[in-house]
Amino acid sequence: ETGVTQTPRHLVMGMTNKKSLKCEQHLGHNAMYWYKQSAKKPLELMFVYNFKEQTENNSVPSRFSPECPNSSHLFLHLHTLQPEDSALYLCASSQEPGGSGNTIYFGEGSWLTVV
Amino acid sequence: GENVGLHLPTLSVQEGDNSIINCAYSNSASDYFIWYKQESGKGPQFIIDIRSNMDKRQGQRVTVLLNKTVKHLSLQIAATQPGDSAVYFCAENRWAGTALIFGKGTTLSVSS
Repeated sequence: ETGVTQTPRHLVMGMTNKKSLKCEQHLGHNAMYWYKQSAKKPLELMFVYNFKEQTENNSVPSRFSPECPNSSHLFLHLHTLQPEDSALYLCASSQEPGGSGNTIYFGEGSWLTVV
Repeated sequence: GENVGLHLPTLSVQEGDNSIINCAYSNSASDYFIWYKQESGKGPQFIIDIRSNMDKRQGQRVTVLLNKTVKHLSLQIAATQPGDSAVYFCAENRWAGTALIFGKGTTLSVSS
């Protein structure tokens, strides 16, 4: 148990569907993140939120839409995805959004398959 | 672009041996490094970290070494066990206010 909970753990969706991934952290952290993990690739940072405000968008296509209603919850809304978007989506949190000594803690991830 | 990378994509060891996993980084401004372990079907799990003002840090069965001269980071696992089988990632923090950047992982396989 890492203190970061993601749901659903597995999701299969068609290219025309709309779905959402949910993340909740119980660590009292101020920063939350979405990372994408594809096979044979390093973890790719997608979005960073600090105190509910988006501080970084790493050139992510608009078919991925994040939402952060408060410091404990983070969503990733998915719409008209492509098969190449199939990957493990990892949510993470940290006390602050960067800086020396700032450890990031990950959830177990949501496995997404786009068909 | 600059990335944190690992020298070998896979490493196979016998149970009881010591394992050394290496990582090279390119940005001399990086001042904080973390090693993560990712088991199959799970998210990355924090193992150990080190700041740039240190060259060695020890944990339980693990040691991280930092050589700033050649921009090299290593993770040493003593008496490797089958439960250590996983993908290991190093990550660096380059600037204040920016999330960690990860390199490609090394898959460690431990045979009995």
